[in-house]
Amino acid sequence: TQLLEQSPQFLSIQEGENLTVYCNSSSVFSSLQWYRQEPGEGPVLLVTVVTGGEVKKLKRLTFQFGDARKDSSLHITAAQPGDTGLYLCAGGGRGSTLGRLYFGRGTQLTVWP
Amino acid sequence: GAVVSQHPSRVICKSGTSVKIECRSLDFQATTMFWYRQFPKQSLMLMATSNEGSKATYEQGVEKDKFLINHASLTLSTLTVTSAHPEDSSFYICSARPPRYTDTQYFGPGTRLTVL
Repeated sequence: TQLLEQSPQFLSIQEGENLTVYCNSSSVFSSLQWYRQEPGEGPVLLVTVVTGGEVKKLKRLTFQFGDARKDSSLHITAAQPGDTGLYLCAGGGRGSTLGRLYFGRGTQLTVWP
Repeated sequence: GAVVSQHPSRVICKSGTSVKIECRSLDFQATTMFWYRQFPKQSLMLMATSNEGSKATYEQGVEKDKFLINHASLTLSTLTVTSAHPEDSSFYICSARPPRYTDTQYFGPGTRLTVL
């Protein structure tokens, strides 16, 4: 089983603060995806990172894939109330599990105005 | 692009009845779709992988006779919860993988099932 440990599980911050969410594993993944989910809705894909060491920026969000493709981080600058939601990381399987996603437990982010 | 729909969004049924949930990829063909279950405040749990024209692959611990999956076309997969019981109440989410993509999955909006 390829496990993804996501931390922190809960994060409650004030508008304007910065934050980082971590996703770690002992397994190597073919890719790493980040999703955001709001209550009662399905996850929405934010980004896919494929290459070890890759960094992608999406406005105030910065995503990084570890050099060994075992871990990833999501950094949000100047958080806004609209960033509130459940953030999920998911690793892509390799070999016989190619095409399957392994999800972390999620980070529930609340940004207060 | 890459829109996935689910129907119904909410369903309430009596114990012992069967419920069918539809998952459609609206603007792309998906040879592979996935069905997940999500409990409150928790992450997604993969139930099964649905392949067009063939039998679904179920994860360990998921009863294939209870959760029937049919992937009859490249844009439609259905999940039928047979003889539903209150413990089957949950949020069911499907996803679809676009062609030529290995890991990318686009998710539907989910179906909230409540079994009384």
